[in-house]
Amino acid sequence: LELTQSPSASASLGASVRLTCTLSRGPSSYAIAWHQLQPEKGPRYLMKLNSDGSHSKGDGIPDRFSGSSSGAERYLTISSLQSEDEADYYCQTWGTGLVVFGGGTKLTVL
Amino acid sequence: EVQLVESGGGLIQPGGSLRLSCAASGFTVSSYYMTWVRQAPGKGLEWVSIIYSGDTTYYADSVKGRFTISRDNSKNTLDLQMNSLRAEDTALYYCAREGVGLHLGVFDIWGQGTMVTVSS
Repeated sequence: LELTQSPSASASLGASVRLTCTLSRGPSSYAIAWHQLQPEKGPRYLMKLNSDGSHSKGDGIPDRFSGSSSGAERYLTISSLQSEDEADYYCQTWGTGLVVFGGGTKLTVL
Repeated sequence: EVQLVESGGGLIQPGGSLRLSCAASGFTVSSYYMTWVRQAPGKGLEWVSIIYSGDTTYYADSVKGRFTISRDNSKNTLDLQMNSLRAEDTALYYCAREGVGLHLGVFDIWGQGTMVTVSS
């Protein structure tokens, strides 16, 4: 089971950006989680995203963050980008006795 | 408030041992799946180990046979005993808790991390 993410992404302040996490070497039906990692802070859980696109967000996560799915791809969309959204974003999934992270996407807010 | 606070990191020589602890507040560690995840300098997140209910444990291949995850229910902590440390174990170590309900299967509570540096 592998998760693939683009190493970097960028978008302008106030714009929207969509980050992609692609499942491979395993069923495309897996749910994933999205986590945000800012410098000098611990990871922050954003949401659980199911294969049908339904998602459950963590406590206090703004409505600007949303998730969607298409086949083996899982997306995180951030709208109305703010400077504090500049961070690394990781997708994560799991199986029995196994936890897998994607390589992370570094988001730059221009 | 639900919170995790890691401790025990530091500078250790190759081949040495270190024990990390993750103190939980606002919940009981024995009731949740708990995990350790690390981030080496300049690298991404890497899963290290997980402990399930009933104390079933699993490890990443990179630490199997050297690291041991456990719970101390009397202290309400999650621990990681690290032996035979190598330079490549140098990382910021995070503990995390599995969510419940709609968040089952994912890690919804994270600590701030404790740094382990393996160097002579």
